[in-house]
Amino acid sequence: GEDVEQSLFLSVREGDSSVINCTYTDSSSTYLYWYKQEPGAGLQLLTYIFSNMDMKQDQRLTVLLNKKDKHLSLRIADTQTGDSAIYFCAESMGDTGRRALTFGSGTRLQVQP
Amino acid sequence: DSGVTQTPKHLITATGQRVTLRCSPRSGDLSVYWYQQSLDQGLQFLIQYYNGEERAKGNILERFSAQQFPDLHSELNLSSLELGDSALYFCASSLVGGSYEQYFGPGTRLTVT
Repeated sequence: GEDVEQSLFLSVREGDSSVINCTYTDSSSTYLYWYKQEPGAGLQLLTYIFSNMDMKQDQRLTVLLNKKDKHLSLRIADTQTGDSAIYFCAESMGDTGRRALTFGSGTRLQVQP
Repeated sequence: DSGVTQTPKHLITATGQRVTLRCSPRSGDLSVYWYQQSLDQGLQFLIQYYNGEERAKGNILERFSAQQFPDLHSELNLSSLELGDSALYFCASSLVGGSYEQYFGPGTRLTVT
């Protein structure tokens, strides 16, 4: 079945690293994503990782994937107050042409100055 | 700005009514996805269209329907509205149905009173 789980809340101090975690259950997932949602805004695609990769780095963002444990994490280095938002983990499945996303419930990141 | 546009931004209507939400995908994108975000259910996939044809269905109620027009814009029709239909409705687009990048619009906030 499809189920993506995330912790609900994370608070960090400005300048620290943030690590947001996610677990998924469907081993047939092909791509795993991180989206950011700021208050009153849509979903911004931050990064994604293909299921045959272990790690992907993109500027301040590092995604780690542990396929054995079905665990995905997003590390934000040097966290800034502008990073305060809700972060959603998502997986896509289905054959080519049918790549609907299944989302977790979101992790609210609060960055304290 | 993702390049995906949605109108209207806000919609307030009464129970039993019918509304139409509109989405224009990013230039060149052939696939459109509709998602619903509510406090109860989180973010859920509703339906996908690719180049005018329905490609995949998720948790879409029978009272809801969608279509994609030859110019690739899409409309989501919600009828016999209930209080529980109050939610944010997002449209996302991708280049082809199997593309790993989905870009989201700003959403339409529907309030049913």
